[in-house]
Amino acid sequence: SQELEQSPQSLIVQEGKNLTINCTSSKTLYGLYWYKQKYGEGLIFLMMLQKGGEEKSHEKITAKLDEKKQQSSLHITASQPSHAGIYLCGADIFGNQFYFGTGTSLTVIP
Amino acid sequence: GAGVSQSPSNKVTEKGKDVELRCDPISGHTALYWYRQSLGQGLEFLIYFQGNSAPDKSGLPSDRFSAERTGGSVSTLTIQRTQQEDSAVYLCASSSRAAGETQYFGPGTRLLVL
Repeated sequence: SQELEQSPQSLIVQEGKNLTINCTSSKTLYGLYWYKQKYGEGLIFLMMLQKGGEEKSHEKITAKLDEKKQQSSLHITASQPSHAGIYLCGADIFGNQFYFGTGTSLTVIP
Repeated sequence: GAGVSQSPSNKVTEKGKDVELRCDPISGHTALYWYRQSLGQGLEFLIYFQGNSAPDKSGLPSDRFSAERTGGSVSTLTIQRTQQEDSAVYLCASSSRAAGETQYFGPGTRLLVL
């Protein structure tokens, strides 16, 4: 079983549309990370959330960790082809051991 | 600036052979992680090194897998008697308290066992 569930598994959107990716845990998250993997490249760190209710933004990407610290959402506003890739959430659930979600594949159609 | 580097970038081997994968973390990072990403699956934690402490080996899938970290810097992941199910991308990451424990990933080593 997966410690972290991501939804949707894949997403195809028209350029300019907004979208949201969710990451859900059955246990309390002590740190939630969002990464992006472009096809054929390594992982790129996007942002980290630690406090319940915390929200961070970087360019057109906003991530939030809910108050109960068991779910995070990643929201992209006015998507562009450069946003395409696989988005992974990662979390510290049991101290130093790190878990990743299964990933969400995003395709942006120009 | 130097990030995390891994070598080789690609490795093709025959079933039953041993392989060594290398990770050079960011200088000064005390923590080093190994992960494996198999096709169609999420990242799987393998092993974690923190400073001079005993490593957390709880993620290693079998006793064919082992890892060392010499001098608190470079790490080598060794897979003995490789099997086809070992085929995956092996990722290394490093972090430090000074960097807020953010993990910085290397480009990975793509291993194919024939």
